[in-house]
Amino acid sequence: DGGITQSPKYLFRKEGQNVTLSCEQNLNHDAMYWYRQDPGQGLRLIYYSQIVNDFQKGDIAEGYSVSREKKESFPLTVTSAQKNPTAFYLCASRSAGAGTDTQYFGPGTRLTVL
Amino acid sequence: AQSVTQLDSHVSVSEGTPVLLRCNYSSSYSPSLFWYVQHPNKGLQLLLKYTSAATLVKGINGFEAEFKKSETSFHLTKPSAHMSDAAEYFCVVSAGGYQKVTFGTGTKLQVIP
Repeated sequence: DGGITQSPKYLFRKEGQNVTLSCEQNLNHDAMYWYRQDPGQGLRLIYYSQIVNDFQKGDIAEGYSVSREKKESFPLTVTSAQKNPTAFYLCASRSAGAGTDTQYFGPGTRLTVL
Repeated sequence: AQSVTQLDSHVSVSEGTPVLLRCNYSSSYSPSLFWYVQHPNKGLQLLLKYTSAATLVKGINGFEAEFKKSETSFHLTKPSAHMSDAAEYFCVVSAGGYQKVTFGTGTKLQVIP
């Protein structure tokens, strides 16, 4: 099956710990995205990557880091510098080129800080 | 610059009655417009997409949306609500480029039996 997978589905973190959220896609898409979702605020862009070994900050990148070593994978690390990390995190991908601006989403990871 | 406004944060309808979820947008370019649906603790699923080919766009599960440039609107409709339609719906505008995607704040649809 083609698609985007995120793991784990639920994640609990103690304050001061770094955690890494996994995102994998087998759609052969070039671009990948991380969003944070909070109630009543829609989705906010954390980081995005257009190609391997390249990524850009989104609107709320502080306290987060990413890597893009493989086309299929775009892990997100939530660092201890992120002051309010409890949220639902969504990964998305899209293919390159004109007329292909549809983003496809993974099932999400819910992170809770204890 | 671009923005999207979902005019209702909550909509409640009875099963079998029509659904109308309202979305207004602004964009400096000719945008692509999307509606996504999200069930609790799930990812976003694409319902439909407008890309200037036709102003009335048909999507999955009986939903459709009409692009009205003069009103800068892209409202989502369905003739008859089903219990399984209860979810949150997001209107999205994309004006090109890898970053230029803006999400509305969502409309929660409640379907009353």
